[in-house]
Amino acid sequence: DTAVSQTPKYLVTQMGNDKSIKCEQNLGHDTMYWYKQDSKKFLKIMFSYNNKELIINETVPNRFSPKSPDKAHLNLHINSLELGDSAVYFCASSQALFYEQYFGPGTRLTVT
Amino acid sequence: GDSVTQMEGPVTLSEEAFLTINCTYTATGYPSLFWYVQYPGEGLQLLLKATKADDKGSNKGFEATYRKETTSFHLEKGSVQVSDSAVYFCALSDRGADGLTFGKGTHLIIQP
Repeated sequence: DTAVSQTPKYLVTQMGNDKSIKCEQNLGHDTMYWYKQDSKKFLKIMFSYNNKELIINETVPNRFSPKSPDKAHLNLHINSLELGDSAVYFCASSQALFYEQYFGPGTRLTVT
Repeated sequence: GDSVTQMEGPVTLSEEAFLTINCTYTATGYPSLFWYVQYPGEGLQLLLKATKADDKGSNKGFEATYRKETTSFHLEKGSVQVSDSAVYFCALSDRGADGLTFGKGTHLIIQP
């Protein structure tokens, strides 16, 4: 069983479109996250979601919005996609804040 | 704010060589420290962790010791294999911050 899964694995879209990436974890964890990995492999936290509390990295544009229908899911919705949004997006989960995190396989987003 | 500094590489070694990847950190609190590994085209996998000073994390022949006095968490392996070729990330989790703070990753290449 996959612990943290993401769909789709690849996403190619045009500038200005709106898209969503889905994430599900079956670990029973309370906390989920979204990270962005740029072309140089640098990873940066975008959001953490713990017990319905959303913590946003202040550098993330408000075109990005996480949505959590339940504790096992944290989806990422992106409005008005821009070229600079092209990256690999990773979902992760942990038992609680500050515990080790388990990552999904990533979604490679390409904006043309 | 918190930060993690690690050698970026690429680091190229021959099979069975000794490996050290340096990692130093700055943090406001008393962080937990982690090493993650990313194989090509895959997500991040937790390799090892240490949650307090002088703890040694170990897994798959890799080791790292939490050194508070030098704010370091260097990754070592006595004899590397071709299958160890990957990108290695040092990271910290600090109760004064949200999510993991990652280093820029070290690309390790092991030649037969």
